[in-house]
Amino acid sequence: AQSVTQLDSQVPVFEEAPVELRCNYSSSVSVYLFWYVQYPNQGLQLLLKYLSGSTLVKGINGFEAEFNKSQTSFHLRKPSVHISDTAEYFCAVSLSGNTPLVFGKGTRLSVIA
Amino acid sequence: DGGITQSPKYLFRKEGQNVTLSCEQNLNHDAMYWYRQDPEQGLRLIYYSQIVNDFQKGDIAEGYSVSREKKESFPLTVTSAQKNPTAFYLCASSIWARVNTEAFFGQGTRLTVV
Repeated sequence: AQSVTQLDSQVPVFEEAPVELRCNYSSSVSVYLFWYVQYPNQGLQLLLKYLSGSTLVKGINGFEAEFNKSQTSFHLRKPSVHISDTAEYFCAVSLSGNTPLVFGKGTRLSVIA
Repeated sequence: DGGITQSPKYLFRKEGQNVTLSCEQNLNHDAMYWYRQDPEQGLRLIYYSQIVNDFQKGDIAEGYSVSREKKESFPLTVTSAQKNPTAFYLCASSIWARVNTEAFFGQGTRLTVV
């Protein structure tokens, strides 16, 4: 069974600084990878996804992620964060084929003015 | 506007009562899902359904039941057998395809036992 590990439960960062949220997955087969964002008391919104092709994936709100098969990682990055990026971020994985998403425990990003 | 509607947004339940959370989608998606979210635990899959009149248990199905009588609707019942039901419940839907696509989420229902 696949699993997802988000290495940091909380990440504080100053406004306009860069940020990286880490995600590692375990799977013996090909996977599809996703990052979602959740604002307080709301549902999840897709930031970006990796299905195949280029390992560098660009998403909404200036976020990007890089798929690294050898390190089984899919870290999320943004070069300059804003206060409005304060939210919880979830990494998720799905096997090739028709299986539900498996989520990590989330990383709470707090942007400090 | 296409999307997923969960209702109610907030729900209070007395111990020993069953409650039903509503989830409706107009995206024409085949698959629908229920996740439970708790602090520090992320999202855990309760049930999912690929087609009408069929559903499968997820990782934490005990104390919950679902039905899928219509493509658009996937209600979740939290029964009295669920020992710790206070949580944020999220419904999602997706195209059920060989090449996976993302899941779309509703705004959630916060259930509190009083």
